[in-house]
Amino acid sequence: SQTIHQWPATLVQPVGSPLSLECTVEGTSNPNLYWYRQAAGRGLQLLFYSVGIGQISSEVPQNLSASRPQDRQFILSSKKLLLSDSGFYLCAWSVFLGVNTEAFFGQGTRLTVV
Amino acid sequence: QKEVEQNSGPLSVPEGAIASLNCTYSDRVSQSFFWYRQYSGKSPELIMSIYSNGDKEDGRFTAQLNKASQYVSLLIRDSQPSDSATYLCAVNRGSYIPTFGRGTSLIVHP
Repeated sequence: SQTIHQWPATLVQPVGSPLSLECTVEGTSNPNLYWYRQAAGRGLQLLFYSVGIGQISSEVPQNLSASRPQDRQFILSSKKLLLSDSGFYLCAWSVFLGVNTEAFFGQGTRLTVV
Repeated sequence: QKEVEQNSGPLSVPEGAIASLNCTYSDRVSQSFFWYRQYSGKSPELIMSIYSNGDKEDGRFTAQLNKASQYVSLLIRDSQPSDSATYLCAVNRGSYIPTFGRGTSLIVHP
């Protein structure tokens, strides 16, 4: 069965510090991968998605970037965090099955920028 | 117009009642619709998928889809306090990019 691992679970970082969040998927090949952010009391905002190694699509221009160095690894990064980067970051995966494509989430990383 | 809209709630129902959660979407070509449950502080969990007009039942949950009206709903029968959570409606943009509503908070009180 497929599993998704996301770490760390919580993170407190000072403004201006770098960020690296990692997500890996097990039990499947060539998944679609996604990074979402959920700010307090708000909906899920799609940040990046990837359909293959090295293929990254950005939804929202900001000081975040994403990379996919391996088939089942997705990394979210920032060189300098802003206070507004605080939120709940969620990695998700899906396998393309046409209309039946379903997405599943990791446990999330709660980031607080101070 | 937002792509996926939900009433933020909270929707409060007594234990044992039917909870009805609603969602509208703007993209007429959407084909895939999902309901996720999110407990406070946790990540969303997929509970229902629906692709064809009509009803789809799974245990106490029934998803209803009306593509002509661009409307999808989730019914929870015999609501339990453990059903208290935020319910997120999602619609696939293209074939594989889920777009989420802001979610409806459901409170089931004993």
